[in-house]
Amino acid sequence: GDSVTQTEGPVTVSESESLIINCTYSATSIAYPNLFWYVRYPGEGLQLLLKVITAGQKGSSRGFEATYNKETTSFHLQKASVQESDSAVYYCALGDLGDNSKLIWGLGTSLVVNP
Amino acid sequence: NSKVIQTPRYLVKGQGQKAKMRCIPEKGHPVVFWYQQNKNNEFKFLINFQNQEVLQQIDMTEKRFSAECPSNSPCSLEIQSSEAGDSALYLCASSLNQDTQYFGPGTRLLVL
Repeated sequence: GDSVTQTEGPVTVSESESLIINCTYSATSIAYPNLFWYVRYPGEGLQLLLKVITAGQKGSSRGFEATYNKETTSFHLQKASVQESDSAVYYCALGDLGDNSKLIWGLGTSLVVNP
Repeated sequence: NSKVIQTPRYLVKGQGQKAKMRCIPEKGHPVVFWYQQNKNNEFKFLINFQNQEVLQQIDMTEKRFSAECPSNSPCSLEIQSSEAGDSALYLCASSLNQDTQYFGPGTRLLVL
C-alpha cells in the first residue's frame, strides 16, 4: 500500500548543528507521487514548508532542503545549521499529482533545538 | 501563512452529544478537506468538497459525521453522537485546485 515513514522523534540538536530528518515512502497505487514537508510550530497550525512534484528535483525553504529521490523512495529533510526557532513538529506527506485529495502522512518528527 | 480559519479551537462534549466545528477556507479556494489527527499523530482523511459538492468521503463520515460547505457560509463538520474515540484534532484545509493544501489551526475535540 501507500505509506510514509519518517524519523521517530524527538530529535534533539544544538543550535548551529546540522539536521537530517529521514522520510521514505511507498507509492504502490499512486501514479504520479509528489512529496511535501509540513511543519507545525508550537501553538500554530500546520504550514507547508516545501514541496516537490518531480523526481530528482530539490525543494528548499527557510534554509531547509529536501530532494525527491525516486530510486531510494526518499525525501529526507536537511538543514545545515538549525536555529532554536526551528523547534517544531515536521511531517512528511505523499500525494498524487493533480489529485492530492488524500495525502498520506508520516507520524511527524518532533525537533527540539537547544540554544 | 495559511488564512484558513477554524472555530472553535477547543470543544468539550459528553458522549452522545453533538459536536460541531466550522471552517472558513482561504478566499478563492474551492476545495476543502477535513482530517482527523488522533493522539498518535495519525491523520485520517474524512471528507472533501469542491464548492458545495462532496468529492470523496470515508465510511465513518457517511454514518456518524455530517459535513457541508454551503455557499457564502462557513463549512462545517458535525459529529451526530460523539464517542470517546472521536477525541482528536480536527483539521480543515483548503486548496485552489486539489493541489497544495493549506491548513487551519484545528479544532481539538475532547469527548468525556
